[in-house]
Amino acid sequence: DVKVTQSSRYLVKRTGEKVFLECVQDMDHENMFWYRQDPGLGLRLIYFSYDVKMKEKGDIPEGYSVSREKKERFSLILESASTNQTSMYLCASSRGGGAETQYFGPGTRLLVL
Amino acid sequence: AQSVAQPEDQVNVAEGNPLTVKCTYSVSGNPYLFWYVQYPNRGLQFLLKYITGDNLVKGSYGFEAEFNKSQTSFHLKKPSALVSDSALYFCAVRDGPNSGYALNFGKGTSLLVTP
Repeated sequence: DVKVTQSSRYLVKRTGEKVFLECVQDMDHENMFWYRQDPGLGLRLIYFSYDVKMKEKGDIPEGYSVSREKKERFSLILESASTNQTSMYLCASSRGGGAETQYFGPGTRLLVL
Repeated sequence: AQSVAQPEDQVNVAEGNPLTVKCTYSVSGNPYLFWYVQYPNRGLQFLLKYITGDNLVKGSYGFEAEFNKSQTSFHLKKPSALVSDSALYFCAVRDGPNSGYALNFGKGTSLLVTP
């Protein structure tokens, strides 16, 4: 079974802090994604990566950056957390190619005070 | 851009009755469509997908979905609902290669199955 893990289930941070969210997948998937989920908005794509050290902006990249130094690990970084980044963050991975299923981690619920 | 719409915020159904969660799509080209379920404070679990072929797709936990090209719909169905099916359901469509084939999600439909 595919397993996608995220480093924290819940995080509480203060405005202005630098925040790291880690995601690891164990299926040698090429593609990895970060989404944020907000009530009434569904999921929105923040960043994605299709290979090591490769990263591309999604629909809402402002205030975020990412890092993919190893194939299995994809990190989301909030450079200076703000209250409007309070959300549920979901990581996903898939094989390369357009017909592949994305598999999701359990999510990190981030509260920025 | 590829998009899906879920017209119902909430669907209520009695246990044992059939359930339908609606999804319509808007795409250029052939659609690749997905259904996911999310239980409270959990990540998304894959239920099924339509890529090509048979219009009736069978998935996990007894769910199925019918692809209807003329109505641009991909409704999720189950013949007999269980209380444990109560969850948030998301329809999604695959985006193009410029997004790494990311998924564009609907806003979600909350399904409540009552005993």
